[in-house]
Amino acid sequence: KQEVTQIPAALSVPEGENLVLNCSFTDSAIYNLQWFRQDPGKGLTSLLLIQSSQREQTSGRLNASLDKSSGRSTLYIAASQPGDSATYLCAVWGGGTSYGKLTFGQGTILTVHP
Amino acid sequence: GAGVSQSPSNKVTEKGKDVELRCDPISGHTALYWYRQSLGQGLEFLIYFQGNSAPDKSGLPSDRFSAERTGGSVSTLTIQRTQQEDSAVYLCASSLGAGHITGELFFGEGSRLTVL
Repeated sequence: KQEVTQIPAALSVPEGENLVLNCSFTDSAIYNLQWFRQDPGKGLTSLLLIQSSQREQTSGRLNASLDKSSGRSTLYIAASQPGDSATYLCAVWGGGTSYGKLTFGQGTILTVHP
Repeated sequence: GAGVSQSPSNKVTEKGKDVELRCDPISGHTALYWYRQSLGQGLEFLIYFQGNSAPDKSGLPSDRFSAERTGGSVSTLTIQRTQQEDSAVYLCASSLGAGHITGELFFGEGSRLTVL
């Protein structure tokens, strides 16, 4: 059974810092990996999708990397801003019999203070 | 509509009652997903529809849970004889074609269920 773990569970930083969120997964037979953002009381918004054949993806101040063989991904946020405060979720799309199934980590709660 | 719509947004029910949660996906989206988010439990996969069929029902926690999708559009998640442990936010998402390929997965804001 696929398990996804995110470290740290919570992170509080001053504005302007660069930061790294970590994600690990137990079954490397994934299809793709995706990072989401969730604001309190809201649904999820997709940030980045990394296909299993890719090593990284970038969008603005966000960069996500994937090391499929070691079961790890990191989300790098450059020059953090208070508006980045949210819960960040890592999720893996299953392969094989888990086709179409997205397994989520518990999330990292990020607070960026002015 | 412009996004994924879920109703009701909040539902309080008594233990033992049946509840129905509705998801209206983005028009034209063929794939539809249901997830449950419990306090301290993270997001849990429940079921996935491609069109009207559900190739993966493995996430439904018990036989009290069922879901259907008709006309390739609206989906209903039904929980029979609700228990307190069913209290959670139920999230629906839809995608055009295969979400695992495009990553273009759009979530609704969820239905918060409280079982007293």
